[in-house]
Amino acid sequence: KNEVEQSPQNLTAQEGEFITINCSYSVGISALHWLQQHPGGGIVSLFMLSSGKKKHGRLIATINIQEKHSSLHITASHPRDSAVYICAVSVYGGATNKLIFGTGTLLAVQP
Amino acid sequence: DGGITQSPKYLFRKEGQNVTLSCEQNLNHDAMYWYRQDPGQGLRLIYYSQIVNDFQKGDIAEGYSVSREKKESFPLTVTSAQKNPTAFYLCASTKRDTLQPQHFGDGTRLSIL
Repeated sequence: KNEVEQSPQNLTAQEGEFITINCSYSVGISALHWLQQHPGGGIVSLFMLSSGKKKHGRLIATINIQEKHSSLHITASHPRDSAVYICAVSVYGGATNKLIFGTGTLLAVQP
Repeated sequence: DGGITQSPKYLFRKEGQNVTLSCEQNLNHDAMYWYRQDPGQGLRLIYYSQIVNDFQKGDIAEGYSVSREKKESFPLTVTSAQKNPTAFYLCASTKRDTLQPQHFGDGTRLSIL
């Protein structure tokens, strides 16, 4: 079993829909990251969370430390949101900021 | 603008040849990382370096080598000992001993002919 699990693996939505991507983890973490990977391959960091909730534009990320679960929400989805969304957790050990990655959720938003 | 530059974007090599992937950053970050991405799998750590002239093996270091002679540069060599080198390779960097998000390059797709 992977230490970081994402669901769903694939998601197709119509423009304007509210989207939720889930991430569960089984290890102790110091932070959780949501990343976005576009078809060209480059990855950008969307959020880093250690508790509570963060919002940036139409994106909202929440984390429940007790349940070891995080969600990424996209409100009023748009075709330009189509990408792979990756959940990763920071496992802080010594001087290493090690990340463990989920396998990603492929989101396609249709006009 | 500061960032990470990986080159080339696409790389083709014959089986049995060593190949070196370039990663340069101008973010003044101490720590740099190399990841491998395969379809259906999460990114896996190959090597990382916390400081110049020092680097550590990650989870899948076999068949790879790195050097860190300059703070800005962390090249990855895929040797002929790597049994399945065809993959997408991502370089990342961050400040040392910090939980700040890692900055990623745009990746290099390596195909072995």
